[in-house]
Amino acid sequence: GAVVSQHPSWVICKSGTSVKIECRSLDFQATTMFWYRQFPKQSLMLMATSNEGSKATYEQGVEKDKFLINHASLTLSTLTVTSAHPEDSSFYICSARGGRGNLHTQYFGPGTRLTVL
Amino acid sequence: DAKTTQPNSMESNEEEPVHLPCNHSTISGTDYIHWYRQLPSQGPEYVIHGLTSNVNNRMASLAIAEDRKSSTLILHRATLRDAAVYYCIESNSGGSNYKLTFGKGTLLTVNP
Repeated sequence: GAVVSQHPSWVICKSGTSVKIECRSLDFQATTMFWYRQFPKQSLMLMATSNEGSKATYEQGVEKDKFLINHASLTLSTLTVTSAHPEDSSFYICSARGGRGNLHTQYFGPGTRLTVL
Repeated sequence: DAKTTQPNSMESNEEEPVHLPCNHSTISGTDYIHWYRQLPSQGPEYVIHGLTSNVNNRMASLAIAEDRKSSTLILHRATLRDAAVYYCIESNSGGSNYKLTFGKGTLLTVNP
Protein backbone atom coordinates (compact mmCIF):
# COMPACT_ATOMS: atom_id res chain seq x y z
CA GLY A 1 0.00 0.00 0.00
CA ALA A 2 0.89 3.67 -0.15
CA VAL A 3 3.38 4.93 2.41
CA VAL A 4 3.18 8.14 4.40
CA SER A 5 6.01 9.24 6.65
CA GLN A 6 6.20 11.82 9.40
CA HIS A 7 9.15 13.59 10.90
CA PRO A 8 10.02 13.80 13.69
CA SER A 9 8.45 10.79 15.38
CA TRP A 10 8.64 12.58 18.70
CA VAL A 11 9.65 16.01 19.91
CA ILE A 12 10.01 17.70 23.28
CA CYS A 13 10.03 21.49 23.39
CA LYS A 14 9.80 24.34 25.84
CA SER A 15 6.64 26.34 26.28
CA GLY A 16 6.50 29.30 23.90
CA THR A 17 8.57 27.74 21.14
CA SER A 18 7.35 26.64 17.72
CA VAL A 19 7.53 23.13 16.37
CA LYS A 20 7.29 21.99 12.75
CA ILE A 21 6.09 18.52 11.78
CA GLU A 22 6.57 17.17 8.26
CA CYS A 23 4.30 14.75 6.46
CA ARG A 24 5.41 13.12 3.23
CA SER A 25 3.74 10.74 0.81
CA LEU A 26 6.64 8.56 -0.29
CA ASP A 27 5.35 6.69 -3.33
CA PHE A 28 2.35 8.64 -4.53
CA GLN A 29 1.20 12.18 -5.14
CA ALA A 30 -1.26 13.32 -2.51
CA THR A 31 -3.90 15.71 -3.78
CA THR A 32 -5.21 16.16 -0.27
CA MET A 33 -3.57 15.85 3.12
CA PHE A 34 -5.20 15.85 6.51
CA TRP A 35 -3.95 16.64 10.01
CA TYR A 36 -5.39 14.96 13.10
CA ARG A 37 -4.72 15.25 16.81
CA GLN A 38 -5.23 12.49 19.33
CA PHE A 39 -5.17 12.87 23.10
CA PRO A 40 -4.57 9.84 25.36
CA LYS A 41 -7.40 7.31 25.33
CA GLN A 42 -9.38 9.40 22.87
CA SER A 43 -10.16 9.07 19.21
CA LEU A 44 -8.59 11.02 16.37
CA MET A 45 -9.87 14.54 15.87
CA LEU A 46 -9.54 16.13 12.45
CA MET A 47 -7.82 19.50 12.66
CA ALA A 48 -7.59 20.59 9.05
CA THR A 49 -7.66 19.56 5.42
CA SER A 50 -5.17 20.88 2.92
CA ASN A 51 -5.00 20.71 -0.84
CA GLU A 52 -1.75 21.29 -2.65
CA GLY A 53 -1.23 24.93 -3.50
CA SER A 54 -4.22 26.27 -1.61
CA LYS A 55 -5.02 27.37 1.93
CA ALA A 56 -5.97 24.75 4.47
CA THR A 57 -9.54 24.35 5.66
CA TYR A 58 -9.67 24.20 9.43
CA GLU A 59 -12.27 22.41 11.52
CA GLN A 60 -14.39 24.39 13.93
CA GLY A 61 -12.50 25.28 17.08
CA VAL A 62 -9.02 24.85 15.60
CA GLU A 63 -7.00 28.07 15.60
CA LYS A 64 -5.51 28.59 12.16
CA ASP A 65 -2.97 31.12 13.45
CA LYS A 66 -1.70 28.66 15.99
CA PHE A 67 -1.58 25.59 13.77
CA LEU A 68 -0.01 26.70 10.50
CA ILE A 69 -0.36 24.27 7.63
CA ASN A 70 1.60 24.44 4.40
CA HIS A 71 1.01 22.05 1.52
CA ALA A 72 3.62 23.26 -0.92
CA SER A 73 3.91 20.16 -3.06
CA LEU A 74 2.01 17.00 -3.89
CA THR A 75 4.23 14.99 -1.55
CA LEU A 76 4.80 17.31 1.40
CA SER A 77 2.66 19.03 4.00
CA THR A 78 3.89 20.67 7.17
CA LEU A 79 2.15 21.53 10.42
CA THR A 80 3.73 24.20 12.60
CA VAL A 81 2.53 24.52 16.17
CA THR A 82 3.32 28.11 17.06
CA SER A 83 3.98 29.28 20.61
CA ALA A 84 3.35 25.79 21.94
CA HIS A 85 1.96 25.32 25.43
CA PRO A 86 1.60 22.20 27.58
CA GLU A 87 -2.02 21.79 26.53
CA ASP A 88 -0.79 21.32 22.93
CA SER A 89 0.99 18.14 23.98
CA SER A 90 -0.62 15.42 21.92
CA PHE A 91 -0.14 12.79 19.22
CA TYR A 92 -0.30 14.48 15.81
CA ILE A 93 -1.09 12.30 12.82
CA CYS A 94 -1.21 13.20 9.17
CA SER A 95 -2.84 11.33 6.33
CA ALA A 96 -2.88 11.63 2.57
CA ARG A 97 -5.13 10.53 -0.23
CA GLY A 98 -4.87 10.53 -3.99
CA GLY A 99 -2.56 7.62 -4.66
CA ARG A 100 -3.04 5.19 -7.51
CA GLY A 101 -6.33 6.74 -8.59
CA ASN A 102 -7.95 5.78 -5.30
CA LEU A 103 -9.81 8.76 -3.91
CA HIS A 104 -11.60 6.78 -1.21
CA THR A 105 -8.69 5.74 0.96
CA GLN A 106 -6.58 7.78 3.33
CA TYR A 107 -3.11 6.56 4.16
CA PHE A 108 -1.87 7.58 7.58
CA GLY A 109 1.54 8.48 8.84
CA PRO A 110 3.00 6.90 11.98
CA GLY A 111 2.31 9.99 14.08
CA THR A 112 4.39 12.54 15.96
CA ARG A 113 4.31 12.70 19.74
CA LEU A 114 4.66 16.30 20.90
CA THR A 115 5.47 17.06 24.53
CA VAL A 116 5.55 20.69 25.60
CA LEU A 117 7.26 21.36 28.92
CA ASP B 1 -19.86 13.67 15.60
CA ALA B 2 -19.30 10.18 14.25
CA LYS B 3 -22.35 8.77 12.52
CA THR B 4 -21.63 5.13 13.25
CA THR B 5 -22.06 3.08 16.42
CA GLN B 6 -19.81 0.23 17.45
CA PRO B 7 -19.39 -1.84 20.62
CA ASN B 8 -16.74 -0.39 22.90
CA SER B 9 -14.82 -3.64 23.11
CA MET B 10 -14.75 -7.23 21.91
CA GLU B 11 -12.65 -10.22 22.74
CA SER B 12 -11.62 -13.17 20.63
CA ASN B 13 -9.27 -16.12 20.68
CA GLU B 14 -6.29 -16.55 18.44
CA GLU B 15 -6.93 -18.35 15.14
CA GLU B 16 -10.69 -17.95 15.48
CA PRO B 17 -12.84 -15.73 13.26
CA VAL B 18 -13.89 -12.32 14.53
CA HIS B 19 -17.00 -10.43 13.49
CA LEU B 20 -16.93 -6.72 14.32
CA PRO B 21 -20.33 -5.05 13.92
CA CYS B 22 -21.12 -1.47 12.97
CA ASN B 23 -24.41 0.38 12.70
CA HIS B 24 -24.80 3.28 10.30
CA SER B 25 -28.54 3.72 10.16
CA THR B 26 -28.45 7.24 8.66
CA ILE B 27 -26.06 6.45 5.83
CA SER B 28 -26.87 8.07 2.51
CA GLY B 29 -26.88 6.30 -0.81
CA THR B 30 -23.50 7.64 -1.88
CA ASP B 31 -21.62 7.23 1.38
CA TYR B 32 -18.92 4.60 1.57
CA ILE B 33 -18.19 2.46 4.62
CA HIS B 34 -14.56 2.47 5.64
CA TRP B 35 -12.74 0.42 8.25
CA TYR B 36 -9.43 1.42 9.74
CA ARG B 37 -7.56 0.02 12.70
CA GLN B 38 -5.07 1.57 15.06
CA LEU B 39 -2.41 -0.12 17.15
CA PRO B 40 -1.15 1.70 20.26
CA SER B 41 1.02 4.72 19.50
CA GLN B 42 0.68 4.27 15.74
CA GLY B 43 -1.28 5.95 12.99
CA PRO B 44 -4.43 4.24 11.73
CA GLU B 45 -4.09 1.57 9.08
CA TYR B 46 -6.55 1.14 6.22
CA VAL B 47 -8.37 -2.19 6.37
CA ILE B 48 -11.16 -2.19 3.81
CA HIS B 49 -13.98 -0.12 2.35
CA GLY B 50 -17.17 -0.75 0.40
CA LEU B 51 -20.37 0.79 -0.93
CA THR B 52 -23.02 -1.87 -1.45
CA SER B 53 -21.46 -5.22 -2.29
CA ASN B 54 -19.48 -7.39 0.07
CA VAL B 55 -15.75 -6.87 -0.29
CA ASN B 56 -12.76 -9.08 0.33
CA ASN B 57 -9.06 -8.32 0.53
CA ARG B 58 -6.02 -9.98 2.03
CA MET B 59 -6.69 -8.47 5.45
CA ALA B 60 -10.42 -8.92 5.94
CA SER B 61 -13.89 -9.18 4.51
CA LEU B 62 -16.63 -6.58 4.70
CA ALA B 63 -20.23 -7.75 4.76
CA ILE B 64 -22.72 -4.96 4.09
CA ALA B 65 -26.40 -5.41 4.93
CA GLU B 66 -28.83 -5.15 2.06
CA ASP B 67 -30.37 -1.98 3.51
CA ARG B 68 -26.83 -0.63 4.16
CA LYS B 69 -27.74 0.34 7.69
CA SER B 70 -25.15 -1.97 9.17
CA SER B 71 -21.99 -3.79 8.23
CA THR B 72 -19.64 -6.37 9.69
CA LEU B 73 -15.88 -6.55 9.43
CA ILE B 74 -14.71 -10.14 9.39
CA LEU B 75 -11.22 -11.23 10.34
CA HIS B 76 -11.09 -14.84 9.24
CA ARG B 77 -8.36 -16.00 11.63
CA ALA B 78 -7.45 -13.59 14.38
CA THR B 79 -3.80 -13.29 15.35
CA LEU B 80 -2.24 -11.44 18.25
CA ARG B 81 -1.18 -8.74 15.80
CA ASP B 82 -4.86 -8.02 15.07
CA ALA B 83 -5.35 -6.61 18.57
CA ALA B 84 -6.20 -2.96 17.93
CA VAL B 85 -8.95 -0.35 17.95
CA TYR B 86 -11.14 -0.83 14.88
CA TYR B 87 -12.94 2.18 13.47
CA CYS B 88 -15.98 2.01 11.22
CA ILE B 89 -16.50 5.28 9.34
CA GLU B 90 -18.91 6.46 6.70
CA SER B 91 -17.92 9.16 4.29
CA ASN B 92 -18.94 10.57 0.97
CA SER B 93 -17.53 9.48 -2.33
CA GLY B 94 -14.41 11.59 -2.26
CA GLY B 95 -15.66 14.93 -3.46
CA SER B 96 -14.50 18.31 -2.26
CA ASN B 97 -15.97 17.85 1.22
CA TYR B 98 -14.63 14.37 1.73
CA LYS B 99 -13.26 13.64 5.18
CA LEU B 100 -13.22 10.86 7.74
CA THR B 101 -14.76 11.44 11.17
CA PHE B 102 -13.48 8.95 13.70
CA GLY B 103 -15.69 7.68 16.51
CA LYS B 104 -14.50 5.76 19.53
CA GLY B 105 -14.15 2.45 17.69
CA THR B 106 -14.06 -1.09 19.05
CA LEU B 107 -11.10 -2.25 21.08
CA LEU B 108 -10.39 -5.82 20.00
CA THR B 109 -8.50 -8.04 22.40
CA VAL B 110 -7.10 -11.31 21.06
CA ASN B 111 -6.35 -14.02 23.58
CA PRO B 112 -3.55 -16.51 22.90
